[in-house]
Amino acid sequence: EVQLVESGGKVVQPGGSLRLSCTASGFGFSDSAMTWVRQAPGKGLEWVSSISGSGVRTFYADSVKGRFTISRDNSKNTLYLQMNSLRVDDTAVYFCAKDLRLLECFDSWGQGTLVTVSS
Amino acid sequence: SSELTQDPAVSVALGQTVRITCQGDSLRNYYANWYRQKPGQAPILVIYDRTSRPAGIPDRFSGSSSGDTASLTITGAQAEDESVYYCNSRNSRGNHVVFGGGTELTVL
Repeated sequence: EVQLVESGGKVVQPGGSLRLSCTASGFGFSDSAMTWVRQAPGKGLEWVSSISGSGVRTFYADSVKGRFTISRDNSKNTLYLQMNSLRVDDTAVYFCAKDLRLLECFDSWGQGTLVTVSS
Repeated sequence: SSELTQDPAVSVALGQTVRITCQGDSLRNYYANWYRQKPGQAPILVIYDRTSRPAGIPDRFSGSSSGDTASLTITGAQAEDESVYYCNSRNSRGNHVVFGGGTELTVL
């Protein structure tokens, strides 16, 4: 059974930094592209970033490019999202998801971790 | 603004058929996928590659596409189908992912 468990969400001040983690099990992690999707309170889904199975190829939404960095450690079956220069509008639940194919569809999701950016 | 457009809300009588649509130029070149999300829960993939259904998704869910519009059809809607439904695809340049704004389905 595929399991994705996010962690690292908390309250942070504007301009601060945070690193989210997503621990995966139940599938060939290094063979799978992975993605972060976020959902602001009461809003829809917003794609944030994706990474290939090897970690060589990365992609970012314009809203986070230059501030967020996606990475992975295949030896630890863990996906990361380093978030810098956080803004109030980055407040959201952050989901990690397993890609069926890179940049296309997401066949398994974690339960999400809440990031609140507030002074 | 999203590159994929969905109606914000749709309703259907119990046991009837409902179609939820998703419109965008990128759908001419890339597959549409559909997710359902209940409050406080993670999204679940219900249709991928326009028409394919993951294991465990009831066969009352089906997908179709024509031109720049993809559709999710629920044949014989059940009370438990009340959810917000999102479509997604690549953007027109193929280098980003886009989601529709979501359609809230009410089963009457």
